[in-house]
Amino acid sequence: TQLLEQSPQFLSIQEGENLTVYCNSSSVFSSLQWYRQEPGEGPVLLVTVVTGGEVKKLKRLTFQFGDARKDSSLHITAAQPGDTGLYLCAGDDFGNEKLTFGTGTRLTIIP
Amino acid sequence: DTGVSQDPRHKITKRGQNVTFRCDPISEHNRLYWYRQTLGQGPEFLTYFQNEAQLEKSRLLSDRFSAERPKGSFSTLEIQRTEQGDSAMYLCASSHYPSGRTGELFFGEGSRLTVL
Repeated sequence: TQLLEQSPQFLSIQEGENLTVYCNSSSVFSSLQWYRQEPGEGPVLLVTVVTGGEVKKLKRLTFQFGDARKDSSLHITAAQPGDTGLYLCAGDDFGNEKLTFGTGTRLTIIP
Repeated sequence: DTGVSQDPRHKITKRGQNVTFRCDPISEHNRLYWYRQTLGQGPEFLTYFQNEAQLEKSRLLSDRFSAERPKGSFSTLEIQRTEQGDSAMYLCASSHYPSGRTGELFFGEGSRLTVL
């Protein structure tokens, strides 16, 4: 099992600020996904990145896959209270679509 | 299709009792996964099925845990002789494999277990 470390573990910022969440591993992944989870619900997919160096944008969220496919980042611009939640990265290390999840970043946006 | 459903949503039991959780995946999905999640942490892989075949079981999973998917549709996860350390959210997810580029897992809302 490959470990995925996320940082920071907790982040609390004011509405309108920008933030970046990191997902790091010493192992290479064939693909990496980001999920968001709200209390009492299961995680919901935000994006999948496959190619090293790939950048994907989803409205105010920008996702980047590292060139070596060992790490990823999620950048949120002008954070809004609706962005509050637990952000999880998840890697597919053998290309068999069995995901290993990261340790999670709990984000709180203060109005 | 109403998505992945899990039952019960909450279970409180005494230490030493057995509990069973059920997961009904999205009907056309051939893969079904079980994960365990403790508060504020990422989901930890337990086991997964492709159709009725159990492809992998986590080495972290003790012999007290068993999962089945007898007809390749719904699945059950049983925990025997529960311990307080088993208290967690048990998440089920399903997917269609191979999925193409996304590899998306569709999660249920989870079954929360509290062992007293």
